[in-house]
Amino acid sequence: GQQVMQIPQYQHVQEGEDFTTYCNSSTTLSNIQWYKQRPGGHPVFLIQLVKSGEVKKQKRLTFQFGEAKKNSSLHITATQTTDVGTYFCAGILNSGYSTLTFGKGTMLLVSP
Amino acid sequence: DTEVTQTPKHLVMGMTNKKSLKCEQHMGHRAMYWYKQKAKKPPELMFVYSYEKLSINESVPSRFSPECPNSSLLNLHLHALQPEDSALYLCASSQAPTGGRPLHFGNGTRLTVT
Repeated sequence: GQQVMQIPQYQHVQEGEDFTTYCNSSTTLSNIQWYKQRPGGHPVFLIQLVKSGEVKKQKRLTFQFGEAKKNSSLHITATQTTDVGTYFCAGILNSGYSTLTFGKGTMLLVSP
Repeated sequence: DTEVTQTPKHLVMGMTNKKSLKCEQHMGHRAMYWYKQKAKKPPELMFVYSYEKLSINESVPSRFSPECPNSSLLNLHLHALQPEDSALYLCASSQAPTGGRPLHFGNGTRLTVT
């Protein structure tokens, strides 16, 4: 079936290093959302991207939506231990009633 | 803090038990969802309620029975579950079921079936 692929599955960085997770779909996405789930917690909405080529920033986090609306990325500059968690992308594959299709997530571990 | 409240936080039940999970939101959202999440996996959609009517059932076994008594409440009734049903059950809500509105998740109920 239709899927949203996300890589890498896991990344371990030293505090201060940068981190990027990538999301790809075989079909055009009407929009894409990013969520963060801390260990033992629940997913928390971070941002939504709708327009082709859109770039949004939240402090050290930069989100991009590809020109073809088939891929997206989340980049964290100078990671901190508070960034630890699993980052999920989730896309709407069709318009209308369609629900979010989640990527498998990227687990980020940050060592001090 | 979350604006979607789920109870209980933890639940242990035997395979012959009947139990219910509860979810409440007071944000005026008109879409509510049940998701199941296994360890190190993404949330997996089970049911969607749109304006208090069941609009999506993702081929969930009948031992899971959802109910939406009103626009603020969502229940998940559990009966004759299997050990493989042990997971984190997440309730979520959104302003509307269309247009890809952001999901607001509750803290979840961690269910163990023995």
